[in-house]
Amino acid sequence: DGGITQSPKYLFRKEGQNVTLSCEQNLNHDAMYWYRQDPGQGLRLIYYSQIVNDFQKGDIAEGYSVSREKKESFPLTVTSAQKNPTAFYLCASRGTSTSYEQYFGPGTRLTVT
Amino acid sequence: KNEVEQSPQNLTAQEGEFITINCSYSVGISALHWLQQHPGGGIVSLFMLSSGKKKHGRLIATINIQEKHSSLHITASHPRDSAVYICAGLNRDDKIIFGKGTRLHILP
Repeated sequence: DGGITQSPKYLFRKEGQNVTLSCEQNLNHDAMYWYRQDPGQGLRLIYYSQIVNDFQKGDIAEGYSVSREKKESFPLTVTSAQKNPTAFYLCASRGTSTSYEQYFGPGTRLTVT
Repeated sequence: KNEVEQSPQNLTAQEGEFITINCSYSVGISALHWLQQHPGGGIVSLFMLSSGKKKHGRLIATINIQEKHSSLHITASHPRDSAVYICAGLNRDDKIIFGKGTRLHILP
């Protein structure tokens, strides 16, 4: 079955450590996205990538980095520069130019103490 | 103004009631999605709509392209339907835009 995989579902880290969240899709989708959700808040765009080896900053990119070396993978690194990293992180993808169907991963809940 | 607006923000109802959650979106939004998020849990995709109506079990989603409006209905609501329901769509800049969500609480 095609879909988006995010792992792990829950992640715990100590303050000051970088942490990388995984997002993999087997849908052959061109575009991939990372969003952040804080308690009681909506989802905000961190980074997105419309094609391999290219990505753009979203609304809240500071303290995060991404790479898109392969079409199926779009990992997000939460760096120690991110002041409030504890949040829910959602990965999504969008189909090709002939189909704008979106798929959503289940999300990763990151807790930094 | 957000490109995707949901209402109500919060909704409490008794078990068995018919539930309606609304989503209005601006020009340029396409491929509208309804998502469900349980407390402490992940996101589950319910429907993707570009026209008409879709049904899955007790859930029904409709979209009116001319009015740029979509609704999510739950028939015979149950406490396990309690969750946050989120509307999302793709805008002209190729970004997925999310509504702020509707927090639904079904009382037994």
